[in-house]
Amino acid sequence: AQKITQTQPGMFVQEKEAVTLDCTYDTSDPSYGLFWYKQPSSGEMIFLIYQGSYDQQNATEGRYSLNFQKARKSANLVISASQLGDSAMYFCAMRERGGGGNKLTFGTGTQLKVEL
Amino acid sequence: NAGVMQNPRHLVRRRGQEARLRCSPMKGHSHVYWYRQLPEEGLKFMVYLQKENIIDESGMPKERFSAEFPKEGPSILRIQQVVRGDSAAYFCASTPGQGANTGELFFGEGSRLTVL
Repeated sequence: AQKITQTQPGMFVQEKEAVTLDCTYDTSDPSYGLFWYKQPSSGEMIFLIYQGSYDQQNATEGRYSLNFQKARKSANLVISASQLGDSAMYFCAMRERGGGGNKLTFGTGTQLKVEL
Repeated sequence: NAGVMQNPRHLVRRRGQEARLRCSPMKGHSHVYWYRQLPEEGLKFMVYLQKENIIDESGMPKERFSAEFPKEGPSILRIQQVVRGDSAAYFCASTPGQGANTGELFFGEGSRLTVL
């Protein structure tokens, strides 16, 4: 079974609109962390947001928020007020406590295109 | 405040040659991770190292691949007798250590290997 599943290979959104990128995960570890990274066309990996499995509130970082639904094992990324510069590949990732150090398992990504 | 430095950024090798990729972690970071990203795919964990120790190499191919992180100097990912299937982007990431902050991985800009 896939540990991290991103079912949307590509998404389009109009500038200034909000968009939700889906991520579901699978783990039996009670302690885990969920991450979102952005990869623009230049290729670098940019950390966006983190959610711990025991965090009571959904994480927010500026225009990014994480819709964490623990019972459903989902950790969707919400980008509000989309900008042209948000066009990029977005990866969801998970760290399990049973794993080595801070090893992350990544999903296959969602390509987001922001249009005028 | 230099981030994770990887070099070379681009490397071209012919089949059968050796590729050496270098990674200098962020200042103060002692844990290094190597990931591989095949075209159109997410990042796959390869190996996790601390100074002079390989902690987890569960993602490393059994043959031709090796990694080290010596006491002095950068971490090296070495690929011997490269084949076309080794063409990928290789990312290095570092963290201060286990349990530090959220465990966010700080990524370098990647080294893109092309095997002719």
